[in-house]
Amino acid sequence: DIVMTQSPDSLAVSLGETATINCKSSQSILHSSNSKNYLAWFQQKPGQPPKLLIYWASTRDSGVPGRISGSGSGTDFTLTISSLQAEDVAVYYCQQYYDIPRTFGQGTKLEIK
Amino acid sequence: QVQLQESGPGLMKPSGTLSLTCGVSGASISDSHWWNWVRQAPGKGLEWIGEIHHSGATNYNPSLKSRISISVDKSHNQVSLKLNSVTAADTAVYYCAKVSEVLCSGVTCLLGFDSWGQGTLVTVSS
Repeated sequence: DIVMTQSPDSLAVSLGETATINCKSSQSILHSSNSKNYLAWFQQKPGQPPKLLIYWASTRDSGVPGRISGSGSGTDFTLTISSLQAEDVAVYYCQQYYDIPRTFGQGTKLEIK
Repeated sequence: QVQLQESGPGLMKPSGTLSLTCGVSGASISDSHWWNWVRQAPGKGLEWIGEIHHSGATNYNPSLKSRISISVDKSHNQVSLKLNSVTAADTAVYYCAKVSEVLCSGVTCLLGFDSWGQGTLVTVSS
């Protein structure tokens, strides 16, 4: 299985500042046939299903604000949330869908400082 | 807009077979999608269970493969999950989710898990 490791497990950031979450995969998830990194980022708030934020490592899903961005390739990826707002408080997960089984990171809890 | 709605027994006893359905609206089960099941134990992270393609092809998590079956019912536009020999460790919120296939420069690409149901809590307890 491809192991997805997120860091940190939790972080507290002041309103208006930038939050950065890292995700590392145990092997490359760059698809050679289409040059896509099969890496997604999700936001999950209590009592709600996960919400897709980013797919292909850096493509924002429809309706996701521009202050949320993804970067990285191969095995190292980053989710950046700038101008942090109260509504961003949530748990964030990365996921690889390059191989079976699809696997998720352990989650990063984002809070307001 | 695609909407997914899971339904299940809520509470069940150990050793039984869990049966869940995911009703799909706003899309056809026969469209170019993969239909997935993901679960989340209380207070824990996300675990992928398995998926089925509109062609009928399936992929399962090896950790659960011996106990699960995923199928589609085209007449009712729904996806089903069966998990047998359940234990307390199978207590979780079960989600269905859609992954779309698209063409990227002539090659098939998977988008992300872009639509999710609200989830259904299944508790296994005697």
